[in-house]
Amino acid sequence: AQSVAQPEDQVNVAEGNPLTVKCTYSVSGNPYLFWYVQYPNRGLQFLLKYITGDNLVKGSYGFEAEFNKSQTSFHLKKPSALVSDSALYFCAVRDSLNYGGSQGNLIFGKGTKLSVKP
Amino acid sequence: DSGVTQTPKHLITATGQRVTLRCSPRSGDLSVYWYQQSLDQGLQFLIQYYNGEERAKGNILERFSAQQFPDLHSELNLSSLELGDSALYFCASSIEGFMNTEAFFGQGTRLTVV
Repeated sequence: AQSVAQPEDQVNVAEGNPLTVKCTYSVSGNPYLFWYVQYPNRGLQFLLKYITGDNLVKGSYGFEAEFNKSQTSFHLKKPSALVSDSALYFCAVRDSLNYGGSQGNLIFGKGTKLSVKP
Repeated sequence: DSGVTQTPKHLITATGQRVTLRCSPRSGDLSVYWYQQSLDQGLQFLIQYYNGEERAKGNILERFSAQQFPDLHSELNLSSLELGDSALYFCASSIEGFMNTEAFFGQGTRLTVV
């Protein structure tokens, strides 16, 4: 079955330091990977996606993610964290098994709470 | 603003009751997805509709049902409510037919069953 794992429940970083939020995936076929962010009492906002091509994907708000096929990982990164980046981050994969490879629903990891301290 | 509208934002109801949650997708999006977010279960996929037809089912209880109307808005019906149904319910929409397109989420409906 398609799945993603976020091994860390919480990540703490100091403002100005680089941050990494980890995600590993398990898929049959090509992976279609996404990162979303959820601020308190808000819906999920799309950050970035990996479909094919460059392994380093750039997204919104200065975030980027590195796709690593050999390690089946898709870690979210930012060179310099801001206090306003504090939120819940979700990694997701498209489920291609529902109906023969066309668009499926998103399967989410459990989420990682990012806390950036001043 | 994602362009996906969910109403109501908050709902408080008693056990045993029935409620209806409404979702209007982004203009042009044919697919609608419903998700349940709870503290212990995380984000769980419930059901997907495409252009009025059910496309995929996830962990949706038999007490729950959904439909998508000709104008593409969708409703999620929750009946015989239990305390454990208290959660945040999200609707998302996307352009169908493309695995590489992101889904856009509404702000959610927070359901509290008392």
